[in-house]
Amino acid sequence: QLQLQESGPGLVQPLETLSLTCHISGDSISTSWGWLRQTPGKGLEWIGSLYSSGGTDYNPSLRGRATISIDTSKNQLSLRLNSVAAADTALYYCARQGSAWFYFDPWGPGTLVTVSS
Amino acid sequence: EIILTQSPDFQSVTPKEKVTITCRASQAIGRSLHWYQQKPGQSPRLLIKSASQSLSGVPSRFSGSGSGTDFTLTINTLEVEDVATYFCHQSTNVPYTFGQGTKLEIK
Repeated sequence: QLQLQESGPGLVQPLETLSLTCHISGDSISTSWGWLRQTPGKGLEWIGSLYSSGGTDYNPSLRGRATISIDTSKNQLSLRLNSVAAADTALYYCARQGSAWFYFDPWGPGTLVTVSS
Repeated sequence: EIILTQSPDFQSVTPKEKVTITCRASQAIGRSLHWYQQKPGQSPRLLIKSASQSLSGVPSRFSGSGSGTDFTLTINTLEVEDVATYFCHQSTNVPYTFGQGTKLEIK
């Protein structure tokens, strides 16, 4: 059974780069993946996806600040978000993305990131 | 960007009640609409995919319907464990977007 576990720094300084990893176990890593985040104010927001083809899509609202990659040797999915601000404070999730209909299933438990000096 | 609007935002419910949550898309999305359940302190869980396809392990009291712009999630004979927030999600166009959520609480 697929299990996902996000990890990250917890606290990031404004204007720095946020780096998160998602450890994948229990199933093939050769599929599509997504990063999402959630805040009480904005709800659920899709950050970006890395497709099984190797292609990527990102939310235009992030203005090119996000990069998603995968390390198959470590079974890890990664997210880098540059030039963070307080508005990037959120609970961040990784999730497997369906190959045909692009739903997200399952989701990891999430990791909380706070942007503050 | 496709905007998903759920109604209601909040509903006070009683056990065994039939609950209907709607999700309206700002433009037609075919059947690329999925429903998730999120309980407090947990991550979202996929309940229904592609508007009406049920998933293994999801109780049969959950069902979905709709296509185009109007979609419905129905919970027949609600159980106390169904108290949660429910989200719809469209995957027709990037950026993928979510509804604002519908929170169910026990009356």
